[in-house]
Amino acid sequence: TQLLEQSPQFLSIQEGENLTVYCNSSSVFSSLQWYRQEPGEGPVLLVTVVTGGEVKKLKRLTFQFGDARKDSSLHITAAQPGDTGLYLCAGGGGSNYKLTFGKGTLLTVNP
Amino acid sequence: KAGVTQTPRYLIKTRGQQVTLSCSPISGHRSVSWYQQTPGQGLQFLFEYFSETQRNKGNFPGRFSGRQFSNSRSEMNVSTLELGDSALYLCASSREGGAFNEQFFGPGTRLTVL
Repeated sequence: TQLLEQSPQFLSIQEGENLTVYCNSSSVFSSLQWYRQEPGEGPVLLVTVVTGGEVKKLKRLTFQFGDARKDSSLHITAAQPGDTGLYLCAGGGGSNYKLTFGKGTLLTVNP
Repeated sequence: KAGVTQTPRYLIKTRGQQVTLSCSPISGHRSVSWYQQTPGQGLQFLFEYFSETQRNKGNFPGRFSGRQFSNSRSEMNVSTLELGDSALYLCASSREGGAFNEQFFGPGTRLTVL
């Protein structure tokens, strides 16, 4: 069974601070996706990484896929209250048509 | 382009009853996946349908079932409801499914079992 562990589980910071959240597994994934979910809504895809060592930037968000494709990180620079939400990572593998989700990091950015 | 819609948004049932949830994918998407989300277990995969065929199934009991229609709309059914079935049920659609295709989620159906 493929499992994804996300850390920290909860994170509360002040506006303007930087933060990094992690997504780790003992399994290799063909792809790794990051989603953000806000209360009362479904998750929204932020990025998909597929190559070991890949780094993608989306404005103030930087995503990295580990060289061995077993882990990933999300770094947010100068966090804003609008970044508040549940950040989920999800791994996909091979011909398997399902995504395995981590339990998420609940981020609160205080003004 | 309209997003993924799920009905109903909220549902309250009692133990032993059954429930049917509906999902309408984005136009042109043929893959529909269902997930159960709870605070303790997070998002757990239920099953995925593509062109009316179930391609993958998660580790849930047989009380959980689903189907997909020729217009790609999907339903999931839970029979003999238990208290532990209380959760947010999310539906996601994508063009082809699989590990590399973006999934678009609906807002979910919040099921409460009393």
